[in-house]
Amino acid sequence: DQQVKQNSPSLSVQEGRISILNCDYTNSMFDYFLWYKKYPAEGPTFLISISSIKDKNEDGRFTVFLNKSAKHLSLHIVPSQPGDSAVYFCAASDGNQGGKLIFGQGTELSVKP
Amino acid sequence: GAGVSQSPSNKVTEKGKDVELRCDPISGHTALYWYRQSLGQGLEFLIYFQGNSAPDKSGLPSDRFSAERTGGSVSTLTIQRTQQEDSAVYLCASSKRTGVPLGGKLFFGEGSRLTVL
Repeated sequence: DQQVKQNSPSLSVQEGRISILNCDYTNSMFDYFLWYKKYPAEGPTFLISISSIKDKNEDGRFTVFLNKSAKHLSLHIVPSQPGDSAVYFCAASDGNQGGKLIFGQGTELSVKP
Repeated sequence: GAGVSQSPSNKVTEKGKDVELRCDPISGHTALYWYRQSLGQGLEFLIYFQGNSAPDKSGLPSDRFSAERTGGSVSTLTIQRTQQEDSAVYLCASSKRTGVPLGGKLFFGEGSRLTVL
């Protein structure tokens, strides 16, 4: 049972354009959502998060949008840079189950110069 | 150290052998997690240690898998009688807090790549 789903395994965008990475979840008890970025042979690193009481959180070029009714969140990167090329994981947490994070399958972003 | 440290970074073993993977979390972090990433797959939750509470073992795939966390710090993930499907990168992460918001930012190690021949 995949509670967090990233249906696009890969995405390719041109440098300077917007990258939009999508994530869907099934568990309505999730109340905290995070995006992690992973380069090859490295561990994932935290990128940005959002609480379920908000619908948007922005940090520089990165913005996360949360649509609770649709159980959908997205990560926008604008403008995209070649250094953003990595695998992006969406993760969710249910506060009633402790701090366990459930991750999606990841989307590999390629930003072409 | 400054970050989460895992060892070994690479391990090749024969089917049926036991392996131990070690994780040193960031000092002072009360929560410790093990995940694994199989080839082409996402991050699969294995086990979660939260302070002095009983660990959440709900993600362990079989009874061949076990983990301990001694003294609230170092953790060891043990896989007995390894199978080829156990081949994956095993990632450890730690987190400073377990309070609100739960599931706070995790700091990951670089992983231990296990190959079972």
